Amino acid sequence: GENVEQHPSTLSVQEGDSAVIKCTYSDSASNYFPWYKQELGKRPQLIIDIRSNVGEKKDQRIAVTLNKTAKHFSLHITETQPEDSAVYFCAASNSGGYQKVTFGTGTKLQVIP
Amino acid sequence: DTGVSQNPRHKITKRGQNVTFRCDPISEHNRLYWYRQTLGQGPEFLTYFQNEAQLEKSRLLSDRFSAERPKGSFSTLEIQRTEQGDSAMYLCASSLDSALRPQHFGDGTRLSIL
Repeated sequence: GENVEQHPSTLSVQEGDSAVIKCTYSDSASNYFPWYKQELGKRPQLIIDIRSNVGEKKDQRIAVTLNKTAKHFSLHITETQPEDSAVYFCAASNSGGYQKVTFGTGTKLQVIP
Repeated sequence: DTGVSQNPRHKITKRGQNVTFRCDPISEHNRLYWYRQTLGQGPEFLTYFQNEAQLEKSRLLSDRFSAERPKGSFSTLEIQRTEQGDSAMYLCASSLDSALRPQHFGDGTRLSIL
């Protein structure tokens, strides 16, 4: 089955700096990669996703890049703000199957004001 | 539509008791998923429904766990003879029946086994 590894497990940045979270996946058939933000005690919320036919996608301060050959993808947050502090999960799924999503272990991001 | 709804939000029970959780997905979503999340970990897939059909179950789902979605709308997850290791957040998610569509999560049910 799919295995998703995520690094780092914790990340502290100064407000205004950029944050980068990296993930690798094992199943070359995976073709959909969502990122979720989970604040303490709340539900995971989708913040951005990318499909395998695209190398990069951007939404305001958030961008995701995908390298299919290397089987890794990254989340980039620019101009970080205190409200960006949360746990971020990457995930991978295969639309050819039942779209079972395999999650990474999470990155706890702390933005220091 | 207010999104995916889960009840109860919290459940505290003694070891050995049975518990049942309910999930109401977004109305037009015909795919429904159950996950388990423990502290410091990402959600772990448990099972998946397309309409009323349960199409996949994780090996994590022991015989004590059963899930149903009788009319293809809400779903229930039952845990029989609960054990300490069952303590976790149980998350439900739903999505459209279309490839490459995101899953939308509920707030979860936090289960604590005494």
